[in-house]
Amino acid sequence: AQSVTQLDSQVPVFEEAPVELRCNYSSSVSVYLFWYVQYPNQGLQLLLKYLSGSTLVKGINGFEAEFNKSQTSFHLRKPSVHISDTAEYFCAVSRTGANNLFFGTGTRLTVIP
Amino acid sequence: DSGVTQTPKHLITATGQRVTLRCSPRSGDLSVYWYQQSLDQGLQFLIQYYNGEERAKGNILERFSAQQFPDLHSELNLSSLELGDSALYFCASSVDPQGSYNSPLHFGNGTRLTVT
Repeated sequence: AQSVTQLDSQVPVFEEAPVELRCNYSSSVSVYLFWYVQYPNQGLQLLLKYLSGSTLVKGINGFEAEFNKSQTSFHLRKPSVHISDTAEYFCAVSRTGANNLFFGTGTRLTVIP
Repeated sequence: DSGVTQTPKHLITATGQRVTLRCSPRSGDLSVYWYQQSLDQGLQFLIQYYNGEERAKGNILERFSAQQFPDLHSELNLSSLELGDSALYFCASSVDPQGSYNSPLHFGNGTRLTVT
């Protein structure tokens, strides 16, 4: 079975500062990895995904994530955050060839002006 | 706007009752997924349908059932409701059954169910 751990439930950060949201996964098989963002009163929106190839993945809104197989991690980073980045961020994993996602418990990013 | 429509947005009902949540997938998407988001359990995959057929099952209770109709809209039926069923229920859709591989999941804005 696959599982995802998001170590930080809340991350406050000042505007224009860098941020890293941590995600670790466990799986005995190959997986695909995803980051989704949920803005208040909205559904989830895909930020980026890692399927194969380059371990550094760039997504929307200036976010990027790096897949580290040895550390089973897929941390999300942004060099300079904006107020509009305030949201809940979910890391997710799916088994290769499978069709459903397993989500972490989420990290609430709050950008402080 | 993801193109996935969920109705109603809010639902308040009493324990023991039955409710139906509705989802219209994005145009062209054949696969529909249901997720439950609660404070204590986070986002849990419930069930997936593809072109009218059940494709995958997650942590869905026996009191819950779903179906996908010929026009591809889907309904999630929740019966004998308990207080613990209070949650945000999301529907997502994708083009093909292996949504996470070939195409991303597009989520609706959810139905917030409150059981009193």
